Amino acid sequence: QKEVEQNSGPLSVPEGAIASLNCTYSDRGSQSFFWYRQYSGKSPELIMSIYSNGDKEDGRFTAQLNKASQYVSLLIRDSQPSDSATYLCAVIDRWDDYKLSFGAGTTVTVRA
Amino acid sequence: SAVISQKPSRDICQRGTSLTIQCQVDSQVTMMFWYRQQPGQSLTLIATANQGSEATYESGFVIDKFPISRPNLTFSTLTVSNMSPEDSSIYLCSVGGLSTNEQFFGPGTRLTVL
Repeated sequence: QKEVEQNSGPLSVPEGAIASLNCTYSDRGSQSFFWYRQYSGKSPELIMSIYSNGDKEDGRFTAQLNKASQYVSLLIRDSQPSDSATYLCAVIDRWDDYKLSFGAGTTVTVRA
Repeated sequence: SAVISQKPSRDICQRGTSLTIQCQVDSQVTMMFWYRQQPGQSLTLIATANQGSEATYESGFVIDKFPISRPNLTFSTLTVSNMSPEDSSIYLCSVGGLSTNEQFFGPGTRLTVL
């Protein structure tokens, strides 16, 4: 059974700091990895996708993937109060091309 | 990404009744899915909505409880049948297969069953 685990929250960081979110997955064959941001009362919004080992940067967000260690992380640099949300890690394995398995989510609060 | 709408955005229903949720996309998409997000929980996939054929349900979800239609490549419905308070959740449709395997979610339907 596929499992996606995220570091337990909530995570509280001061404005301007780096927020670090971690996610591990059980299926070694997984090939597609996503980070979604979900504001309270809203639907998830895709903010990052990563498919290859290494880093992928998009603005203040950096996703890091290490398939050998089966983890994917998200760094939020220069955190802003608007980054306060729940961040969901999601994985697609190689057998089910589109079905997402979600982690429980990590709630981030950025203190002004 | 596609523009996705859902109707209704929220509803309060009596137990034993049924509610049909609509998902409309502004462009043709290969894949459409239905998820449930129970209060304080993450998302759980209910089923894949297949165009022109029966939906593919995940373990723990059955067609009698959650019938799904997908008459074309831009529209799908999910019905929550014979509702109980345990069905109180947010129901979300998502679309995929646009150019990558990324998925995008609709705004969701918040259902409360009394």
